[in-house]
Amino acid sequence: TQLLEQSPQFLSIQEGENLTVYCNSSSVFSSLQWYRQEPGEGPVLLVTVVTGGEVKKLKRLTFQFGDARKDSSLHITAAQPGDTGLYLCAGDQDQAGTALIFGKGTTLSVSS
Amino acid sequence: DTGVSQDPRHKITKRGQNVTFRCDPISEHNRLYWYRQTLGQGPEFLTYFQNEAQLEKSRLLSDRFSAERPKGSFSTLEIQRTEQGDSAMYLCASSSGTGPEAFFGQGTRLTVV
Repeated sequence: TQLLEQSPQFLSIQEGENLTVYCNSSSVFSSLQWYRQEPGEGPVLLVTVVTGGEVKKLKRLTFQFGDARKDSSLHITAAQPGDTGLYLCAGDQDQAGTALIFGKGTTLSVSS
Repeated sequence: DTGVSQDPRHKITKRGQNVTFRCDPISEHNRLYWYRQTLGQGPEFLTYFQNEAQLEKSRLLSDRFSAERPKGSFSTLEIQRTEQGDSAMYLCASSSGTGPEAFFGQGTRLTVV
């Protein structure tokens, strides 16, 4: 059973389009992190959301944490080829230093 | 470069051989994590250290796997008698402990032939 479900699994769009990827769970998380990973590399942290309902913006990326702290979304405006990669959400259940739980990721391909 | 460093980046080994990977965390990060990632999956937790103490191990970590962090700085992950199913990307991450964020190294890609 996957604790964090990400959707869609794959997304292929044209440059300039908008997109949203989702990270859902039946469990409550103390925080959620979003990472971006390129082939053959480790995940790179994009953002951490901690408060229910929190919205954070990183240039063209908007991250939202659900009110109940069970889900999160990542919205990309005017996607560019450089946005191509694997987007991973990861949840932290107790902030006691135990490991992050990862979803399977959304593979995004943006073509010009 | 003050990020997490992993060595080697790539390792090809024959089935049955032992391999060891090294991770150097961000300086002063007291938490260190090992994850394994296979194609199409997110990283799966293997084990976690706070300073030199190994505080948590996943049931994914069979008896053939052992990890150490002898002085609370760098860590090693050893796999004995490798099997083809061990082929994966092995990722190391570190955390300061003041927040939930973990910062990853570039990983070690293991191929068992």
